Amino acid sequence: GENVEQHPSTLSVQEGDSAVIKCTYSDSASNYFPWYKQELGKGPQLIIDIRSNVGEKKDQRIAVTLNKTAKHFSLHITETQPEDSAVYFCAAKPSSGTYKYIFGTGTRLKVLA
Amino acid sequence: DAGVIQSPRHEVTEMGQEVTLRCKPISGHNSLFWYRQTMMRGLELLIYFNNNVPIDDSGMPEDRFSAKMPNASFSTLKIQPSEPRDSAVYFCASSADGSTDTQYFGPGTRLTVL
Repeated sequence: GENVEQHPSTLSVQEGDSAVIKCTYSDSASNYFPWYKQELGKGPQLIIDIRSNVGEKKDQRIAVTLNKTAKHFSLHITETQPEDSAVYFCAAKPSSGTYKYIFGTGTRLKVLA
Repeated sequence: DAGVIQSPRHEVTEMGQEVTLRCKPISGHNSLFWYRQTMMRGLELLIYFNNNVPIDDSGMPEDRFSAKMPNASFSTLKIQPSEPRDSAVYFCASSADGSTDTQYFGPGTRLTVL
């Protein structure tokens, strides 16, 4: 069945360093890939997304890259700050006309001051 | 925009009691999703509504769970009777169009069943 693998499960970086989280999906028809940030006690908040017709998207310190051939996509956070500490989830939407997201298992990012 | 609104934020109840969770989606959104989040199983989709109609309830774990959407601005998730294994965080999310658009999550309801 459809599956999204997310790595690593935990990540610690020094403030100012970069962080990279990677996800691999199984359904080659997937066409939409959002990334969510979940802080303690809060709901997942969309931070960036990418569609299958685009290879890279950037928003200030956050970027997402998509490799359709390899079926993987990555979240890149540069110049990390303590407030970036949270759990990050990737998701893939299998194909047009469907509504279900397949979520990754999450990455707990800790930015050390 | 106020975003997705959920209430209550926290609920503590005893086994066997009825629990009702409430959700107000973002105005203008026609799709609503209820999720459950636990450490063991992550985010699980329970039910999906489109234009107030339940489209997919295959994720609802048991007959003890039911969900309604009487109008475009309100939905409920009910558990009756509740059990300790129902303890989790329940999220509501909405999107402008469930098949193409981004889902926006509410703050969640943390349910504890004693």
